[in-house]
Amino acid sequence: GEDVEQSLFLSVREGDSSVINCTYTDSSSTYLYWYKQEPGAGLQLLTYIFSNMDMKQDQRLTVLLNKKDKHLSLRIADTQTGDSAIYFCAESIGGGKLIFGQGTELSVKP
Amino acid sequence: SAVISQKPSRDICQRGTSLTIQCQVDSQVTMMFWYRQQPGQSLTLIATANQGSEATYESGFVIDKFPISRPNLTFSTLTVSNMSPEDSSIYLCSVVVGTGELFFGEGSRLTVL
Repeated sequence: GEDVEQSLFLSVREGDSSVINCTYTDSSSTYLYWYKQEPGAGLQLLTYIFSNMDMKQDQRLTVLLNKKDKHLSLRIADTQTGDSAIYFCAESIGGGKLIFGQGTELSVKP
Repeated sequence: SAVISQKPSRDICQRGTSLTIQCQVDSQVTMMFWYRQQPGQSLTLIATANQGSEATYESGFVIDKFPISRPNLTFSTLTVSNMSPEDSSIYLCSVVVGTGELFFGEGSRLTVL
């Protein structure tokens, strides 16, 4: 079945870049998403990429998609303490449904 | 984008009771879904809420336990029936908008004692 894998933890220093990686299995996914979840909060849509794109940039966020390897990454430039949260990668499996990764907890140290 | 309101935002319930969670969207949407996030876990899709017909449930979820209503294109409810402590989770409503973006509500945090 479909599966999405992420590393569980990432720790960076404030001002550095963060790169969160994700692998997925469904090669027919049309959209891949990144969500941010702060403690006690819901999911905030950060960005998404259509499967025919290799890269998408939105301010401090850069998404890279390697469709051949089914690998997705989210790069956060100039990481701030306010970026500390859990980041979820998700792939669409048709009909608007998503399969989520386990989430990567990003810790930003001053 | 879409603004999604969920009620209640949190609740503490007794074992054996049922709770209905409401999801209201500020615009008409075709696709609406319910997800569950168990403590410390990722999100799992419960069902697709279909307007005017029965919801479509994912494997492991059944209508008797999680009845869903979708009377129109802006509103849905999820009921968690005959609750046990294992049902303690965050329940999230999500919608797809025309651009392909998928938005989530703030979630309803349920604790069952």
